[in-house]
Amino acid sequence: RKEVEQDPGPFNVPEGATVAFNCTYSNSASQSFFWYRQDCRKEPKLLMSVYSSGNEDGRFTAQLNRASQYISLLIRDSKLSDSATYLCVVNGYNAGNMLTFGGGTRLMVKP
Amino acid sequence: DAGVIQSPRHEVTEMGQEVTLRCKPISGHDYLFWYRQTMMRGLELLIYFNNNVPIDDSGMPEDRFSAKMPNASFSTLKIQPSEPRDSAVYFCASSLALVITGLAGSMPTAGELFFGEGSRLTVL
Repeated sequence: RKEVEQDPGPFNVPEGATVAFNCTYSNSASQSFFWYRQDCRKEPKLLMSVYSSGNEDGRFTAQLNRASQYISLLIRDSKLSDSATYLCVVNGYNAGNMLTFGGGTRLMVKP
Repeated sequence: DAGVIQSPRHEVTEMGQEVTLRCKPISGHDYLFWYRQTMMRGLELLIYFNNNVPIDDSGMPEDRFSAKMPNASFSTLKIQPSEPRDSAVYFCASSLALVITGLAGSMPTAGELFFGEGSRLTVL
């Protein structure tokens, strides 16, 4: 089983739609969770951290469910510019705190 | 501000040739990481350095791969001899810290990774 698993997609949604991605992780000792965004043929960039109580940044909402070991990302009112691959990233606090990247979920927002 | 700088951006070489990828981290960042990204395996950590010292190279696929960091502003990843299965995008990333100490009562969190634009390697 992979340490961090994501549905690769693609998720094809119309502009203005709400879309959600989930990500599961296997290391129950993980303490830090993030979503990174990677545009086509570009480098990954931090989108947002995920806090235990859930957090929001504009149209983006991230949530953590420790009991079920998954995190989610919700995007409201999708824009064409949201088209990208979203990488779920988890660290293993008891494993040197190294970040492990999921394979990414590809989102395509259509006009 | 200059971000992480990698060179070359693209390299096409023939099997058996030596490949050297270069990275200049963000000034003041104590951690430097080399990642490899392929469609099949996603982003994989190859090796990381702290204050120019290699800390964990368990991700380096085999002896053909080597990495050095002679000073705080420069690192290389070398593949010798290269093979077609080494074709991938190689990213260098730097970070201010591995662990960010949390506020009282909160857990520490991992430091943000800043990636370079990557070196796209094709081995024929």
